[in-house]
Amino acid sequence: AQKVTQAQTEISVVEKEDVTLDCVYETRDTTYYLFWYKQPPSGELVFLIRRNSFDEQNEISGRYSWNFQKSTSSFNFTITASQVVDSAVYFCALSAATDSWGKFQFGAGTQVVVTP
Amino acid sequence: DTAVSQTPKYLVTQMGNDKSIKCEQNLGHDTMYWYKQDSKKFLKIMFSYNNKELIINETVPNRFSPKSPDKAHLNLHINSLELGDSAVYFCASSLGLAGGQETQYFGPGTRLLVL
Repeated sequence: AQKVTQAQTEISVVEKEDVTLDCVYETRDTTYYLFWYKQPPSGELVFLIRRNSFDEQNEISGRYSWNFQKSTSSFNFTITASQVVDSAVYFCALSAATDSWGKFQFGAGTQVVVTP
Repeated sequence: DTAVSQTPKYLVTQMGNDKSIKCEQNLGHDTMYWYKQDSKKFLKIMFSYNNKELIINETVPNRFSPKSPDKAHLNLHINSLELGDSAVYFCASSLGLAGGQETQYFGPGTRLLVL
């Protein structure tokens, strides 16, 4: 069975601080895919990134960066120089190649609160 | 242009009623999904369809019935609504199934409140 753990329920930071969101996953599959989604207060779910299990390169997109480490089964997400618009719930998700065809396993989400 | 759209956005109804939520995607995707997000924000898949064929059917009460008239539409009908059905329901779509690698794109959600 697949499992995603986001142990941080809520993180509060002051604008311009960096914030790192942890995501730890469990799967027996050797081929799997990891995703991050953002859910702002308006409620929609916005796709941020997808990573496959064979690509451990870290990725940077503007102020966002992701650190994928298979050795610790983690796919952490860092927001650099946070802004108020980053306030949202962030979800990590796992999809395994042999599990029911596109069945995403979501973590519980981490609420990020950025105050001015 | 809205990629994945849902109607209605809000739905307030009485216990025991029957209601439907509609979903449409204009991305040309083959696969569509329904998710339920509870009050604690936990997201759980309910159903998925690939080219109008049911692929995933999680342990959801029989009162929930999805219908896919074509691959661009996936509707969710709920019979005999109960208080516990109150949640946000998200529709999503992906290019295909492709061994789980496809990114899922979500609609704006339908907030259902059962009184």
